[in-house]
Amino acid sequence: EPEVTQTPSHQVTQMGQEVILRCVPISNHLYFYWYRQILGQKVEFLVSFYNNEISEKSEIFDDQFSVERPDGSNFTLKIRSTKLEDSAMYFCASSETRGGRANTGELFFGEGSRLTVL
Amino acid sequence: DAKTTQPNSMESNEEEPVHLPCNHSTISGTDYIHWYRQLPSQGPEYVIHGLTSNVNNRMASLAIAEDRKSSTLILHRATLRDAAVYYCILIGAGGGADGLTFGKGTHLIIQP
Repeated sequence: EPEVTQTPSHQVTQMGQEVILRCVPISNHLYFYWYRQILGQKVEFLVSFYNNEISEKSEIFDDQFSVERPDGSNFTLKIRSTKLEDSAMYFCASSETRGGRANTGELFFGEGSRLTVL
Repeated sequence: DAKTTQPNSMESNEEEPVHLPCNHSTISGTDYIHWYRQLPSQGPEYVIHGLTSNVNNRMASLAIAEDRKSSTLILHRATLRDAAVYYCILIGAGGGADGLTFGKGTHLIIQP
């Protein structure tokens, strides 16, 4: 069964350092997303990406964050200067249709990258 | 997307059916009812979705009330692997946000 893969599974970094989280979405999917989940809290939407540009972003996705699809397979989330409050699980997801809408309905999530900022 | 209300937690025994309720009294006519679950230390996983009619798939069944103001996710024979947080999410068929809005969901505990 096709799956979304994420690397690294866990990254520890110092405050102020840049971090890049990588994702390989399912190959025929067109829409890509990043979500985050702070320990013990809800899963929160960060950004969606389609046709090589950001489709939508939440208030959390400020100037410290950026996304890129550098080649035909990878989708990355960069945090420019990490803060303590960026410590969370970051989930990548992909779907055939926008926001998993219409009748297909399904977003496929990766297993996540745990980011710990010290 | 309209709001949903779920119990914080539920407990069931292994190999018994589980009925997870969701209230969505402000649902609009074009909102699909989606269920996702999140197993411990994993990303969310799609379970099932429906619009008006009851739906079955290999994972679960979805029973939708006639007025669509509530729905129930049914796990016919729960296993320990079904212990997870279950999220009921409404998704509009047309415009609106790209991002899924996850609530706190229902934490399902399965006793052996």
